[in-house]
Amino acid sequence: GQQVMQIPQYQHVQEGEDFTTYCNSSTTLSNIQWYKQRPGGHPVFLIQLVKSGEVKKQKRLTFQFGEAKKNSSLHITATQTTDVGTYFCAGPYSGAGSYQLTFGKGTKLSVIP
Amino acid sequence: GAVVSQHPSWVICKSGTSVKIECRSLDFQATTMFWYRQFPKQSLMLMATSNEGSKATYEQGVEKDKFLINHASLTLSTLTVTSAHPEDSSFYICSASSQGAFEAFFGQGTRLTVV
Repeated sequence: GQQVMQIPQYQHVQEGEDFTTYCNSSTTLSNIQWYKQRPGGHPVFLIQLVKSGEVKKQKRLTFQFGEAKKNSSLHITATQTTDVGTYFCAGPYSGAGSYQLTFGKGTKLSVIP
Repeated sequence: GAVVSQHPSWVICKSGTSVKIECRSLDFQATTMFWYRQFPKQSLMLMATSNEGSKATYEQGVEKDKFLINHASLTLSTLTVTSAHPEDSSFYICSASSQGAFEAFFGQGTRLTVV
């Protein structure tokens, strides 16, 4: 079956430093989604990328989808304490006519003030 | 990392019947569980949040009598889709978190098809 690998598992940064998490799929994806989970909360949808090589920005967050549509990254510029949380990527897996998301294990970001 | 097991991974049922989906935390106590639904090519939609021993909190627009959630123990939550109809066909996924924990862990998801 499809696997979605996400690295690093943990990242500690000083406030103001940049942060990047990477997501790799064993198969080509039709799209990739990113979620953020705040401590004690539930994962919240951030964005979906669909096109090969697509780059989207949300304020200090930059999302990229690889040319081969098998990898993606989330980059945060000048982290703030409000960025603390776990970031998940997820890709759709189509098997036997079904459609479902496979999640990476997430990258846990800690920001030191 | 912590393991959340969701069962079944797929199910086909007849219209009008009820289907139960289980979500188990295998190696930690899940004080809170989240249930999501995903429509094809869309993101996850949070349906409800359940805390062990209390009633689930449903998101706006989610019918609580249609989607029954039980979280009777610290390791098991169930979602029952009652009187299922074809429009209930979807991918359902749970995630579980322990009290004070930084993160929640996802189950594998359940593909429900109502015929």
